[in-house]
Amino acid sequence: TQLLEQSPQFLSIQEGENLTVYCNSSSVFSSLQWYRQEPGEGPVLLVTVVTGGEVKKLKRLTFQFGDARKDSSLHITAAQPGDTGLYLCAGGKNFNKFYFGSGTKLNVKP
Amino acid sequence: DAGVTQSPTHLIKTRGQQVTLRCSPKSGHDTVSWYQQALGQGPQFIFQYYEEEERQRGNFPDRFSGHQFPNYSSELNVNALLLGDSALYLCASSLRPPNYGYTFGSGTRLTVV
Repeated sequence: TQLLEQSPQFLSIQEGENLTVYCNSSSVFSSLQWYRQEPGEGPVLLVTVVTGGEVKKLKRLTFQFGDARKDSSLHITAAQPGDTGLYLCAGGKNFNKFYFGSGTKLNVKP
Repeated sequence: DAGVTQSPTHLIKTRGQQVTLRCSPKSGHDTVSWYQQALGQGPQFIFQYYEEEERQRGNFPDRFSGHQFPNYSSELNVNALLLGDSALYLCASSLRPPNYGYTFGSGTRLTVV
């Protein structure tokens, strides 16, 4: 059983479209991280959020941590082919161990 | 500045054999965590090493063991390999606690036949 559920599992969109992916749990996390992973590589950290209700922006990416610190979302504006990859969320419960979701596989077509 | 270095990149082993994977953390990081990522899944936490001791452990059997050396590098050992151990093994370094994120290596792809 996954502690973190990510949705959708797969997403295929055209360049220029907007999208939102979700990361949900019934557990409260002390912090939550988002990573992007490309085939044959390790995940690369995009952002860490620690405060309930926190919103962070990274160029065209907007990350939000839920008020209760149980869920998060990632919104991408005007997606580009370079955004293609596996998006993973990871929640930390005791500051020393992070649980990963199964990821959302995003494909942005030119 | 070198990131996390893992070796080897690929490995094929026979069921029942033993394997050792190696990891050098990012400069300045003192904590190493190991994750197993099966195809199509997210990484699963194996264990974490800090100050040469195992500090946290995930739901993995004792066949999985590790070590951290004084220079912070680490090894993951897996004994009595099973077909189900085939996966991408990721090493992640951080400061402890890793609140501000891990730096991952590119992983070791282990295939058990």
